[in-house]
Amino acid sequence: KAGVTQTPRYLIKTRGQQVTLSCSPISGHRSVSWYQQTPGQGLQFLFEYFSETQRNKGNFPGRFSGRQFSNSRSEMNVSTLELGDSALYLCASSLVVAGGEETQYFGPGTRLLVL
Amino acid sequence: AQSVTQLDSQVPVFEEAPVELRCNYSSSVSVYLFWYVQYPNQGLQLLLKYLSGSTLVKGINGFEAEFNKSQTSFHLRKPSVHISDTAEYFCAVSESTGGFKTIFGAGTRLFVKA
Repeated sequence: KAGVTQTPRYLIKTRGQQVTLSCSPISGHRSVSWYQQTPGQGLQFLFEYFSETQRNKGNFPGRFSGRQFSNSRSEMNVSTLELGDSALYLCASSLVVAGGEETQYFGPGTRLLVL
Repeated sequence: AQSVTQLDSQVPVFEEAPVELRCNYSSSVSVYLFWYVQYPNQGLQLLLKYLSGSTLVKGINGFEAEFNKSQTSFHLRKPSVHISDTAEYFCAVSESTGGFKTIFGAGTRLFVKA
């Protein structure tokens, strides 16, 4: 079974631009979560989508948004990029099972550099 | 609110020696606990998880962890490390209710020396 895939793997943008990152979950997984990883702040939770609805949200400004499509693929958008948005963005998918015991599987990440 | 504290930012150890990476957490609700490993320029790989049941959890690559509710700890151990275990290790906690909002520790860099 294929793992979580993220595209693109590397991206360079300039301040003020916007960017869209894509995540394809493992087949059958309906929950997709996004995380930002930086040397200074570590791994921080952005948001989680389940069945096309945002189910949980972290403490990020409104410039960070996401969505999930009917095939469970998810996109994350960052508008008006700032230098501090340079980071590794990780996507994780999870199979929702009865009883709530779920495990997240992570993709390789998209490395975003803002100049 | 939940939080995770990894007590050591770096742990140097010689090959074939035992290692323990320490993790403490705080939460007002029941949680699931995880250890992940991250190799350079890669995503996170699940090492092991505690959801319920036995407090001693065995994972991949010879790692194990013990959940201690009274001490709110979830330390990771390996009896004999290899050079290939050099990586960043993250302890994480997630509420055992609907959905994911996983909180990660700051990470411990394990450096195995020959």
